[in-house]
Amino acid sequence: EDQVTQSPEALRLQEGESSSLNCSYTVSGLRGLFWYRQDPGKGPEFLFTLYSAGEEKEKERLKATLTKKESFLHITAPKPEDSATYLCAVLIYNYGQNFVFGPGTRLSVLP
Amino acid sequence: EAQVTQNPRYLITVTGKKLTVTCSQNMNHEYMSWYRQDPGLGLRQIYYSMNVEVTDKGDVPEGYKVSRKEKRNFPLILESPSPNQTSLYFCASSPTRMHTNGNIQYFGAGTRLSVL
Repeated sequence: EDQVTQSPEALRLQEGESSSLNCSYTVSGLRGLFWYRQDPGKGPEFLFTLYSAGEEKEKERLKATLTKKESFLHITAPKPEDSATYLCAVLIYNYGQNFVFGPGTRLSVLP
Repeated sequence: EAQVTQNPRYLITVTGKKLTVTCSQNMNHEYMSWYRQDPGLGLRQIYYSMNVEVTDKGDVPEGYKVSRKEKRNFPLILESPSPNQTSLYFCASSPTRMHTNGNIQYFGAGTRLSVL
């Protein structure tokens, strides 16, 4: 069964305290791994797509990396405005366009 | 402004009363999809469409119908809603198939549905 897990479930950081979020997946075939940010009361907002092991993408204080079994979202010197739920999703390899999402990590950055 | 618009944003209904949640995008996207989001379960894909008249099931299609008669619209239909369909629903669209490098999926603001 295709499955995506995320850890930790929730994370509280002080402003400036760097950390990493984990997304682990067991799927029949990976066509792409996506990271999204979701603010309360809003739809997910796209951050990154990673397609192959070893790939890395960066945007401001965020950096996403991918291995054959997991992805990390590294947050460097976070600010309170980085507080949100971070979701990862896997596009699985089949004829269609099936996505499997993880449950998310709720990040709080305290000033 | 490029956007995915869902209506209504909030809906309270009773068991068995047919309802439709509309979704419209103004970006001429080929791909559209519906998800439901439940606490602890994350987003689960209900149905998706790769173009007009082309739809396919996601992980949790039971109890839902969709149609794609026009490129911009992708309504979600609950013929006989039940309390276990109480959830937060999101519509999304992207220019083309998601495995294309650089492709981005845009989400609507969500529809919170309560079935009593």
